[in-house]
Amino acid sequence: AQKVTQAQTEISVVEKEDVTLDCVYETRDTTYYLFWYKQPPSGELVFLIRRNSFDEQNEISGRYSWNFQKSTSSFNFTITASQVVDSAVYFCALSGVGTSGSRLTFGEGTQLTVNP
Amino acid sequence: EAGVAQSPRYKIIEKRQSVAFWCNPISGHATLYWYQQILGQGPKLLIQFQNNGVVDDSQLPKDRFSAERLKGVDSTLKIQPAKLEDSAVYLCASSLARSNEKLFFGSGTQLSVL
Repeated sequence: AQKVTQAQTEISVVEKEDVTLDCVYETRDTTYYLFWYKQPPSGELVFLIRRNSFDEQNEISGRYSWNFQKSTSSFNFTITASQVVDSAVYFCALSGVGTSGSRLTFGEGTQLTVNP
Repeated sequence: EAGVAQSPRYKIIEKRQSVAFWCNPISGHATLYWYQQILGQGPKLLIQFQNNGVVDDSQLPKDRFSAERLKGVDSTLKIQPAKLEDSAVYLCASSLARSNEKLFFGSGTQLSVL
């Protein structure tokens, strides 16, 4: 069975601080995909990134960066110089190709609050 | 490009009543999903359609929940009869491909069962 753990339930930072959201996953599939989604107060989940299990290169997109480490089954997300607009719930998610199927399994989410 | 449309935005019902939610996916998206998101938790897949066929409904409580996607476009999710534990946000999402692609979500329907 697939499982995603986001140990940090809530994080509060002051604007311009860097913040890292942790994500640890479990799967028996050799091919799988990892995602991050953002859920602002409006409720609509917004796609941020997708990585496949064969691509461990870190990725940077503006103030966002992602660190994928298969050795520790982690896919962490860092926001550099956080802004108030970054306040949201962030979900890490996992989907497989093999026996677990392609169902997207979400973690419990991390509520990020960025204070001015 | 229009996003995923859902209605109603909010619904309050009493237990044992029935309720229906509607979703219109992004034009051209073959795959449609219904997720249940209980407060403080991540979304959980209820059912996945590929065009008008069901791909995965293993987590749908079929004794009370039903869903259909006629003509492979919009979809309805029904609960009958509702229980208190059905209070949640019901999210609809769509994607171009069947699996492992990014999903586009609607704003959801917040259901309160009293």
